[in-house]
Amino acid sequence: AQSVTQPDIHITVSEGASLELRCNYSYGATPYLFWYVQSPGQGLQLLLKYFSGDTLVQGIKGFEAEFKRSQSSFNLRKPSVHWSDAAEYFCAVGGQYKLVFGAGTILRVKS
Amino acid sequence: NAGVTQTPKFQVLKTGQSMTLQCAQDMNHEYMSWYRQDPGMGLRLIHYSVGAGITDQGEVPNGYNVSRSTTEDFPLRLLSAAPSQTSVYFCASSPGVTGTDTQYFGPGTRLTVL
Repeated sequence: AQSVTQPDIHITVSEGASLELRCNYSYGATPYLFWYVQSPGQGLQLLLKYFSGDTLVQGIKGFEAEFKRSQSSFNLRKPSVHWSDAAEYFCAVGGQYKLVFGAGTILRVKS
Repeated sequence: NAGVTQTPKFQVLKTGQSMTLQCAQDMNHEYMSWYRQDPGMGLRLIHYSVGAGITDQGEVPNGYNVSRSTTEDFPLRLLSAAPSQTSVYFCASSPGVTGTDTQYFGPGTRLTVL
């Protein structure tokens, strides 16, 4: 069965610092992997996705993620965080007919 | 395009009441789904549909019904509301009929059951 683990419930970073959000997945076949962001009181927006090919994926808002099959990971990174990045981030793995989400990581940005 | 719309934004029910959460999309997407979001649990799939007239259960379907009579609409019915159904509900759609396509989410409905 598919599953996604996001080990960090909360992360606080200073504005301008780098960011890495962790995601580990379990899936029997080639995974389809996603990162979504949810701003307070809003729906989810796609940041980036990985299907195949280059293991470093670029997304919107300056985010990138790296797929590492050997570690079953798909970590999200950003070199310099802005205050507007404060939100909740969800990693998800896609399979037949459904998307399975992790529990989410809440990012706080301190000035 | 309005994208995915949901009504109402907020709702308070008493235990045992029934109601329907509305979801509509104007992107001609075949796949639509309903999720509930609870703190610390991410989003969990309730029901999904791969086209008009076709629905199936997700991870947490108990207490909910769906139907899909048109491509555009995918209402979620709570048959007899329980406090455990207090949650934020999201509707989503995608152009493909698998879980591998980008999903477009509505703004959510916050439901409280007293």
